[in-house]
Amino acid sequence: SAVISQKPSRDICQRGTSLTIQCQVDSQVTMMFWYRQQPGQSLTLIATANQGSEATYESGFVIDKFPISRPNLTFSTLTVSNMSPEDSSIYLCSVAVSVGGEAFFGQGTRLTVV
Amino acid sequence: AQKITQTQPGMFVQEKEAVTLDCTYDTSDPSYGLFWYKQPSSGEMIFLIYQGSYDQQNATEGRYSLNFQKARKSANLVISASQLGDSAMYFCAMRERNNNDMRFGAGTRLTVKP
Repeated sequence: SAVISQKPSRDICQRGTSLTIQCQVDSQVTMMFWYRQQPGQSLTLIATANQGSEATYESGFVIDKFPISRPNLTFSTLTVSNMSPEDSSIYLCSVAVSVGGEAFFGQGTRLTVV
Repeated sequence: AQKITQTQPGMFVQEKEAVTLDCTYDTSDPSYGLFWYKQPSSGEMIFLIYQGSYDQQNATEGRYSLNFQKARKSANLVISASQLGDSAMYFCAMRERNNNDMRFGAGTRLTVKP
């Protein structure tokens, strides 16, 4: 299993600003994933964060808007840049400890952009 | 590309009754895993149950069981003896062997009535 600490748990931000979300795992994991969950919607994968290489982004998500860092095997950050109200969502960090195994999630960051 | 379909936006069940939440999937990968998660109003993602594509028997975890029909590509979640605390969003998800990321269905909101 894995215990994931995600910070901040929630924030209210002004449009045009940026917010960096941190994800700390209690064990070393190869891949970390960032998801977005818009209000009342399902989870949508933003990107896969690989240690030692650039993140792999899904269609519709770009690095300039959602830069990701992965400095080591236990930590990652996701930045939501130049925010607009449409970015108001829950952002979730996730890891898989074993190949094909269950995904573990952080508590999520509830972002409101005003 | 993998696809997960949950056709029930909302379901109601009487306390102590059983309920089935539907999930169908589509993949060309012969090796994959199917997962169910519960998301209460607090927003955390709680892993419930897992079924591997090569598993011969349906998975069970306490009051949760998975009705896996491989030929029909369905993986329905059965919750027995519903409790008020079961009221939440339920997501079906899949991970293919060749992809480490997990994809989610649209979700079903379950409401347990006293």
